Amino acid sequence: GENVEQHPSTLSVQEGDSAVIKCTYSDSASNYFPWYKQELGKGPQLIIDIRSNVGEKKDQRIAVTLNKTAKHFSLHITETQPEDSAVYFCAATPRTGTASKLTFGTGTRLQVTL
Amino acid sequence: DADVTQTPRNRITKTGKRIMLECSQTKGHDRMYWYRQDPGLGLRLIYYSFDVKDINKGEISDGYSVSRQAQAKFSLSLESAIPNQTALYFCATSVSGRGEDEQFFGPGTRLTVL
Repeated sequence: GENVEQHPSTLSVQEGDSAVIKCTYSDSASNYFPWYKQELGKGPQLIIDIRSNVGEKKDQRIAVTLNKTAKHFSLHITETQPEDSAVYFCAATPRTGTASKLTFGTGTRLQVTL
Repeated sequence: DADVTQTPRNRITKTGKRIMLECSQTKGHDRMYWYRQDPGLGLRLIYYSFDVKDINKGEISDGYSVSRQAQAKFSLSLESAIPNQTALYFCATSVSGRGEDEQFFGPGTRLTVL
């Protein structure tokens, strides 16, 4: 099955700086890669996703890049703000048929300091 | 009102007790999932259901069972709880269909087994 590794496990940045979280996956058949943000006391929430037919996707201060050859993908947050402090999870899935089972990474706790 | 609700939000129980965690959704989604979250291990899939008559084991189903009572309800049971089942449990939903991949998570149930 799929195995997703995520680094770093914790990340502290100053407000306004950029943050980068990296994930690698093992199953070359995986073709959908979402990122979820979990705020304290809440369930994870999708913030951005990318499919294997593109290499990069942006949404305001958030971007995701995908390198299918190397089997890794990254989340980039620019101009970080205190409200970006949360735990971030990457995930991967091979969308075979109508399957939507996700394999998650182990999470990155991002702290944005003033 | 929340689209995905979980009850109870917190539960403390003793080893050997039977426990049921309940999940309800008003999103009209056909797919439902149960995940377990442990520090440093991310989110791991316990069971998933793609419709009322479809139940599938995830990567860590041992010691758990589920029931899909209706499209909107998906319950997780621990027949005989043990301390290493202490964790944060999340229910999630999604809708089948091309391009519909986002999973919507409930607020979680924190379970402690003494």
